[in-house]
Amino acid sequence: DARVTQTPRHKVTEMGQEVTMRCQPILGHNTVFWYRQTMMQGLELLAYFRNRAPLDDSGMPKDRFSAEMPDATLATLKIQPSEPRDSAVYFCASLITDTQYFGPGTRLTVL
Amino acid sequence: GESVGLHLPTLSVQEGDNSIINCAYSNSASDYFIWYKQESGKGPQFIIDIRSNMDKRQGQRVTVLLNKTVKHLSLQIAATQPGDSAVYFCAESQGAQKLVFGQGTRLTINP
Repeated sequence: DARVTQTPRHKVTEMGQEVTMRCQPILGHNTVFWYRQTMMQGLELLAYFRNRAPLDDSGMPKDRFSAEMPDATLATLKIQPSEPRDSAVYFCASLITDTQYFGPGTRLTVL
Repeated sequence: GESVGLHLPTLSVQEGDNSIINCAYSNSASDYFIWYKQESGKGPQFIIDIRSNMDKRQGQRVTVLLNKTVKHLSLQIAATQPGDSAVYFCAESQGAQKLVFGQGTRLTINP
């Protein structure tokens, strides 16, 4: 049963600290998305990659967020420095044909 | 991951009844539509999708209807079961890439 995996599942950190979230897309899926979900804003697209190249990161705050895909099996989302307003659940999704399959998410709390 | 907002629309149905969840989309150029189910603490789970060249598509116990004239999408769940309790999101896109999500509807099942 192929699934998108994300680590860590939960992260609590203090303001100013660096946070790195990781995603392993489903093998063979060449397009990977990062989303953020909050109560107020719902699900928002942050960035996405195809064949490891960034296609669109217009939804991502550029000053503190960065997304990379060092290889086909790993996507990372980094926040440095983190702020309390970054507290949210961050989802990764990978795409096959037209359907995006989501991971379980990383719940981030920034104190 | 928590997906609910303080004012998330809620639909309550009796177990065994049919459920209809509605969604209005905004972009007349959207050509791909998808429904996701999100249970508490989990990522969105694909239910069913439809392209704009269709007006109806059926899956197992679910049917999606698309009315492009009024930009309306609906999800019908037949014989609703307790396991159907979740938040349901519709999403639209052009070319099945950048999904724009609706706010979600919480479905609760009464025994």
